[in-house]
Amino acid sequence: KNQVEQSPQSLIILEGKNCTLQCNYTVSPFSNLRWYKQDTGRGPVSLTIMTFSENTKSNGRYTATLDADTKQSSLHITASQLSDSASYICVVSAGFLSGTYKYIFGTGTRLKVLA
Amino acid sequence: DARVTQTPRDKVTEMGQEVTMRCQPILGHNTVFWYRQTMMQGLELLAYFRNRAPLDDSGMPKDRFSAEMPDATLATLKIQPSEPRDSAVYFCASGPGWGERETQYFGPGTRLLVL
Repeated sequence: KNQVEQSPQSLIILEGKNCTLQCNYTVSPFSNLRWYKQDTGRGPVSLTIMTFSENTKSNGRYTATLDADTKQSSLHITASQLSDSASYICVVSAGFLSGTYKYIFGTGTRLKVLA
Repeated sequence: DARVTQTPRDKVTEMGQEVTMRCQPILGHNTVFWYRQTMMQGLELLAYFRNRAPLDDSGMPKDRFSAEMPDATLATLKIQPSEPRDSAVYFCASGPGWGERETQYFGPGTRLLVL
């Protein structure tokens, strides 16, 4: 069964600290893995997209890693800011020869950054 | 600054009524997605279109939901008849192409409450 699990469910850190969010998946056939940031009351915003051959992708203070062998991904946030307070959603796509995709969503990690 | 727009932003209706949500994708984007988000289920993909043609609507309850793209600047999602369990935030997203590396740009969402 295709599944995406994220941990922790929620996290509180102090401003300036680093943190790492985890995403484990069992999705086949794997196509790509995406991390989104979603502020409260807004639509998700894409942070990174990684395909099978990529194991690191950065977007400013956000760095995502992908280990296709262990089916794990992490999102590392460096020098956190108050504006990083949001939900972070991991989405894994299964791609098919027909050209269609199935998207499997994690339930997200809610991050709160305190001053 | 090109953005996906959605109307209405909020909708309250009574069970059994028809609901129509509209989305204007970013000009030039040829892929459009409809998502639903609830606290219990998280994000779910309902349907997506490429060049206005439906590619996959397997995530959508067929008996009451329908999605169309009358033209390249408008996508609609209809629910008829609506039920309380349809209460959710509905997001539209668009992308410039169709591939495993394409970024999806989300609109602000339509918050639907069915009483």
